Amino acid sequence: EDQVTQSPEALRLQEGESSSLNCSYTVSGLRGLFWYRQDPGKGPEFLFTLYSAGEEKEKERLKATLTKKESFLHITAPKPEDSATYLCAAPYGGSQGNLIFGKGTKLSVKP
Amino acid sequence: KAGVTQTPRYLIKTRGQQVTLSCSPISGHRSVSWYQQTPGQGLQFLFEYFSETQRNKGNFPGRFSGRQFSNSRSEMNVSTLELGDSALYLCASSSDGQGGGSPLHFGNGTRLTVT
Repeated sequence: EDQVTQSPEALRLQEGESSSLNCSYTVSGLRGLFWYRQDPGKGPEFLFTLYSAGEEKEKERLKATLTKKESFLHITAPKPEDSATYLCAAPYGGSQGNLIFGKGTKLSVKP
Repeated sequence: KAGVTQTPRYLIKTRGQQVTLSCSPISGHRSVSWYQQTPGQGLQFLFEYFSETQRNKGNFPGRFSGRQFSNSRSEMNVSTLELGDSALYLCASSSDGQGGGSPLHFGNGTRLTVT
């Protein structure tokens, strides 16, 4: 069964304490792995797309990496404004509009 | 460029009623997808439209339907509302025709509460 699993469900960090979020997937014929950030009361905001194992992308304090079975979102020296739920997703069913989402990791960064 | 716009932001309906939600995609985007988000199930795919045609449908009952207009704007309808339909309904648009890799861009959703 195609699925996307994220861990941990919740993560509490001190400001400046680096960590990683995990996304494992069992989607056949992967056509991209997407990372989104979602703030309370808002829709998911696109962060990264990764297509092939070994690929890495960076944006400010975030770096996403991809292997054949999982993706990591590394957060370096996080700040309180990085607090949000981070979602990963993979396309399913032959079109890019149909994404299977993980349940997300809720990140809290305390000053 | 304006983002994806969803209206209304909040809705309260009674069991058995029906509801229509509206979505205006980013200008130039022809693909529109709808998702339901609940605390228990997370984000679940409802359907996708491209050029006024439904291209994909998720595993939801027939009470959930949608359509897309020639200007790419989309609506979704839920008939005979049930308590379990209470959720955040998200619309997303992308510029892709077929699996081309452009990401989905989401609106801020319509929060539906069924009492």
